[in-house]
Amino acid sequence: NAGVMQNPRHLVRRRGQEARLRCSPMKGHSHVYWYRQLPEEGLKFMVYLQKENIIDESGMPKERFSAEFPKEGPSILRIQQVVRGDSAAYFCASSPRTGRALGTDTQYFGPGTRLTVL
Amino acid sequence: AQSVAQPEDQVNVAEGNPLTVKCTYSVSGNPYLFWYVQYPNRGLQFLLKYITGDNLVKGSYGFEAEFNKSQTSFHLKKPSALVSDSALYFCAVRDTLDSNYQLIWGAGTKLIIKP
Repeated sequence: NAGVMQNPRHLVRRRGQEARLRCSPMKGHSHVYWYRQLPEEGLKFMVYLQKENIIDESGMPKERFSAEFPKEGPSILRIQQVVRGDSAAYFCASSPRTGRALGTDTQYFGPGTRLTVL
Repeated sequence: AQSVAQPEDQVNVAEGNPLTVKCTYSVSGNPYLFWYVQYPNRGLQFLLKYITGDNLVKGSYGFEAEFNKSQTSFHLKKPSALVSDSALYFCAVRDTLDSNYQLIWGAGTKLIIKP
């Protein structure tokens, strides 16, 4: 039973390029969360998605960042025209979130993608 | 507003001694509380959670946490520390009155266990 998968594990981009980060949730999980972690800091929530829906994007920067979770395939976090300040570890988590368990479910994390912008 | 505080950036404990990593929270409704551990260059691993019921929650790797409603705390504990427990520990809370049930994270506490 595979856990949350993220790829690539490491991504190097030059300023102005695009970064695409992928997340495949655990089997049976239909809810995905993206977080950003800067060095020596905690997690910052970015976005919460269900299949084909963005539920909460209150943590997403207004420009250059977008996320999707299509009906088929992994969730994608896209960063356009990257800048050095985007360098961070980006973590994806998934949860099953059944109706009765709303709020009580555990999020399971992937290994992260470490983005370096040169 | 919801918040989580981990008042200690770093905790140093000798191997074999008991350890405590502190966490306090602030929510409008009732809290759902979580502890995660992060090893270097790895993702976060779930340790334990409090939803309801017994205030003492037991989790993975011998860790436990005690929910104290009057002190709004959820401290992580282990009776006898191992060097392999050295890692970054995160406390998180959900507010039952938050319709999005967003997880609010503490800044993390670095736990160092010395042989």
